[in-house]
Amino acid sequence: DIQLTQSPSSLSASLGDRVTITCRASLPINNLLNWHQQKPGKAPRLLIHAASLLYTGVPSRFSGSGSGTDFTLTISGLQSEDFATYFCQQSASSPVTFGQGTKVDI
Amino acid sequence: VQLVQSGAEVKEPGESLKISCKASGYTFRTYWIGWVRQMPGKGLEWMGVIFPGDSETRYSPSFQGHVTISADTSSSTTFLQWTSLRASDSATYFCARHKHSTLPDYWGQGSLVAVTS
Repeated sequence: DIQLTQSPSSLSASLGDRVTITCRASLPINNLLNWHQQKPGKAPRLLIHAASLLYTGVPSRFSGSGSGTDFTLTISGLQSEDFATYFCQQSASSPVTFGQGTKVDI
Repeated sequence: VQLVQSGAEVKEPGESLKISCKASGYTFRTYWIGWVRQMPGKGLEWMGVIFPGDSETRYSPSFQGHVTISADTSSSTTFLQWTSLRASDSATYFCARHKHSTLPDYWGQGSLVAVTS
């Protein structure tokens, strides 16, 4: 299985901050890396697929980059509704695997 | 796209259980749909997927043999089934439509399963 390691595991930020979360894969996965957001008690939501493509309805303050083994999710101008846990997920091979999550709080 | 899951369940070890996820807003038989486990306070674990059009099913090795994923195209519903629950099966289970077999793009609201004696 492909292992995904996120950093940091948690971070504290303020409204308007620029936040960066990284995800490292144990094997090269081209650009087959996706990011999901999960708020407490809610279902996850797909934000970015294929490393850098914004999914339907996702605000443009979210962006993704990377290829191979190293990937980044950036939130430019943190809003109150962005406080959540973010998971990276690889779709290069089965079984699908997720990173352990990064919790973004105030 | 909307995925509506069945409600919370409380079961004893050894019991059987089948939870459901009803899909609407898209052509059910043409997209993979699967299940993801989240244990309390933990991350996401992909369990497997099914393609309702031909019932092809793919499981994570971690869950193969312990659960069964099925689908009913007449009701646009997918199911996750256990024949013998363990306490370690206590978790929230999310169904998720997959854009392709390895990319979940729309998620259900989750079904809480508690297995306790």
